[in-house]
Amino acid sequence: QQQVKQSPQSLIVQKGGISIINCAYENTAFDYFPWYQQFPGKGPALLIAIRPDVSEKKEGRFTISFNKSAKQFSLHIMDSQPGDSATYFCAASRGTGNQGAQKLVFGQGTRLTINP
Amino acid sequence: GAVVSQHPSWVICKSGTSVKIECRSLDFQATTMFWYRQFPKQSLMLMATSNEGSKATYEQGVEKDKFLINHASLTLSTLTVTSAHPEDSSFYICSAEGVGADTQYFGPGTRLTVL
Repeated sequence: QQQVKQSPQSLIVQKGGISIINCAYENTAFDYFPWYQQFPGKGPALLIAIRPDVSEKKEGRFTISFNKSAKQFSLHIMDSQPGDSATYFCAASRGTGNQGAQKLVFGQGTRLTINP
Repeated sequence: GAVVSQHPSWVICKSGTSVKIECRSLDFQATTMFWYRQFPKQSLMLMATSNEGSKATYEQGVEKDKFLINHASLTLSTLTVTSAHPEDSSFYICSAEGVGADTQYFGPGTRLTVL
């Protein structure tokens, strides 16, 4: 119930195309869903995050779509660029609230390659 | 804002020695810091949760006597790998979360190689 399943494991997209990465969760107590971008040899960097009170959040070329009833969320990268080539991780946690920091549950990661 | 640093960025040590890794939140106070390890081409594996001024909470299967965590201030947590062995070679990453925040900010990671 604590798992977050991420797909695909790897993805190749042409420059200018749309990259789509999907995640599914089971624990309905999760209410915070961030996406992280990681380059080789570096730590993950927060890309964008969403809470379940909205179905979509957009920041520049990055959009999260959230489907609460299906317990799924996805990352869309518009106009994908070679510089977007990295590993992307979705994650989920219960909000902090008054309970203190909550652990992030990570997906397995997607290695994205954008061909020029 | 929300910058987390780690030191060192890489370290090579001999088997049997101890190695200390520092994690600092540079521009915010972090009541909670997390320590992860990551093997090549794999996801992050949470090792422990560290709260300032209290004992760390370790995940199942993580040896607390081998991976010593200290969170002595609101901006610094340390991970000490004691009596390191080659199987401890990995990429260790910390993250920090501010007071009342939901977002974890990650450090750049420390590559540990044990010979």
